[in-house]
Amino acid sequence: GENVEQHPSTLSVQEGDSAVIKCTYSDSASNYFPWYKQELGKRPQLIIDIRSNVGEKKDQRIAVTLNKTAKHFSLHITETQPEDSAVYFCAAPESSASKIIFGSGTRLSIRP
Amino acid sequence: GAVVSQHPSWVICKSGTSVKIECRSLDFQATTMFWYRQFPKQSLMLMATSNEGSKATYEQGVEKDKFLINHASLTLSTLTVTSAHPEDSSFYICSANLAGEWNEQFFGPGTRLTVL
Repeated sequence: GENVEQHPSTLSVQEGDSAVIKCTYSDSASNYFPWYKQELGKRPQLIIDIRSNVGEKKDQRIAVTLNKTAKHFSLHITETQPEDSAVYFCAAPESSASKIIFGSGTRLSIRP
Repeated sequence: GAVVSQHPSWVICKSGTSVKIECRSLDFQATTMFWYRQFPKQSLMLMATSNEGSKATYEQGVEKDKFLINHASLTLSTLTVTSAHPEDSSFYICSANLAGEWNEQFFGPGTRLTVL
């Protein structure tokens, strides 16, 4: 089955700086990689996703890169703001089943 | 966008009782829904995949007789925690995705269960 590893588990950056979160996956057939943001006590919300036919996708301050050969993908947040503070999860599908597997999460804190 | 609701949003029950949580897709039909459990400061752990009209598929280590899942219609899946104990206290979240190619999963708002 799919195994998704995420790091770092915690990340603290100065407001205005960039934050990078990295994930690796094991199932080479996986073709969809979403990133979710979860605030305390709330549901995860999709912030960006990427499919395996592209290597990079950007949406304003958020970008995701994918390296299929190395089986890793990363989330990049630029010009961080206090409202970016949350827990971020990467995920990848298990190709043999209709389910996605989540990484362990990264708690991002933005220092004023 | 697709909307998923959950009810109740929180519940407190006594040890040994059963609790039912409902998950509804409000504006789309979901042949498959997913149930997750999330303990404090941990990731979402998939408990089971709920298939409309058939038995749920449980993840390894999840007791199917304790966590009863019913997906009776294309818009409703229920999770019943039977004989709940304090260690079952957690945040339970359901999700569904649109049929077809892999795409966004839409999450319910979650149910916080506290077992006394």
